[in-house]
Amino acid sequence: KAGVTQTPRYLIKTRGQQVTLSCSPISGHRSVSWYQQTPGQGLQFLFEYFSETQRNKGNFPGRFSGRQFSNSRSEMNVSTLELGDSALYLCASRYLPAPRTGELFFGEGSRLTVL
Amino acid sequence: DQQVKQNSPSLSVQEGRISILNCDYTNSMFDYFLWYKKYPAEGPTFLISISSIKDKNEDGRFTVFLNKSAKHLSLHIVPSQPGDSAVYFCAASGGATNKLIFGTGTLLAVQP
Repeated sequence: KAGVTQTPRYLIKTRGQQVTLSCSPISGHRSVSWYQQTPGQGLQFLFEYFSETQRNKGNFPGRFSGRQFSNSRSEMNVSTLELGDSALYLCASRYLPAPRTGELFFGEGSRLTVL
Repeated sequence: DQQVKQNSPSLSVQEGRISILNCDYTNSMFDYFLWYKKYPAEGPTFLISISSIKDKNEDGRFTVFLNKSAKHLSLHIVPSQPGDSAVYFCAASGGATNKLIFGTGTLLAVQP
């Protein structure tokens, strides 16, 4: 069974630009979550999608947005990039939103550097 | 507001000894807790979980203890092995939203 796939793995952008990251969940998983990892901040929850609907949202500004398609693939977008957006962005999928039915499975992440 | 806290950024232990990683939480609605392990350049992988109806869960060398009154959980690794060297994250969920909240992580180094 293929794991969670994230693209691109690495990218470099400049301030003010926008970026779109893509995530393909494990086959059969309908829930996709996004996290931002920065040194000292751990994994900060961005949002979770289930059946194309955003179910949960973290405390990030509106520049961070996401969506989920009918095949459960998800994208997240960051507009007007700032230096502080440099981070590892992790996508995770699970069979259902409720964690008791299975843990989150993470992709390897997309490393974003903003110059 | 960091609802899940791992106050030790790093921990170093000798191979064969016990590793104890700690985690504190503030939200009394949390009722499900997990530990993840992360190697460099890889995504986190699930290690072990515990529900709030239990105070201990064991899986091989890994045991998680939950103290609800203290809002504290810990992960014990016995015996520690060099391959256990990684960043360990605790996570919690519960309440209406059910989203998974992670701590800041503890870097464990097991010395041969």
